[in-house]
Amino acid sequence: GAVVSQHPSWVICKSGTSVKIECRSLDFQATTMFWYRQFPKQSLMLMATSNEGSKATYEQGVEKDKFLINHASLTLSTLTVTSAHPEDSSFYICSARALAGGSGELFFGEGSRLTVL
Amino acid sequence: GQNIDQPTEMTATEGAIVQINCTYQTSGFNGLFWYQQHAGEAPTFLSYNVLDGLEEKGRFSSFLSRSKGYSYLLLKELQMKDSASYLCAVLAGTALIFGKGTTLSVSS
Repeated sequence: GAVVSQHPSWVICKSGTSVKIECRSLDFQATTMFWYRQFPKQSLMLMATSNEGSKATYEQGVEKDKFLINHASLTLSTLTVTSAHPEDSSFYICSARALAGGSGELFFGEGSRLTVL
Repeated sequence: GQNIDQPTEMTATEGAIVQINCTYQTSGFNGLFWYQQHAGEAPTFLSYNVLDGLEEKGRFSSFLSRSKGYSYLLLKELQMKDSASYLCAVLAGTALIFGKGTTLSVSS
């Protein structure tokens, strides 16, 4: 099946620094990728839809200047958490749909656990 | 707005059958997904329904009624490893919107 790779898996940073998370589709092209955030014992919340070659579409309540998304190519999207604070500590997961798969199944990256000290 | 409801927690014993219900009200519907998620891991795909009816895949089955905005995931012959969170998600437009998940605990 299709594979989505996310890096890094774990990151610990100091408050005020910026962190970049990469999401790659390894064996298919994804014009659209999705970024989710998941707090402990809660479900996945869609943050934004990343569109290759254009600006990301952010969900209501998500600060676009804080969570910078760049969809540089058909296989790579990045999420940068700028000036991270402890409340940004969360599990960030990207996903992409392999349209050639027929069912439109959404494939998830492994997730990146961010801890801001 | 988007609203997806499922029970918060369920418990069952090994070998039993459990049904996890999901109701949804979304702007747009292009299919309903069920995912399994173990703590600290990314979700893994279980099933996809876009037409009414039952889809069976091994021990897991999923049912959809679009007119009722209702789906269920049926797990048979429960095993301890089935203890996990089960997420109902609706493809509304191009984005997948998740319910809050149902934590299933399987005991021996």
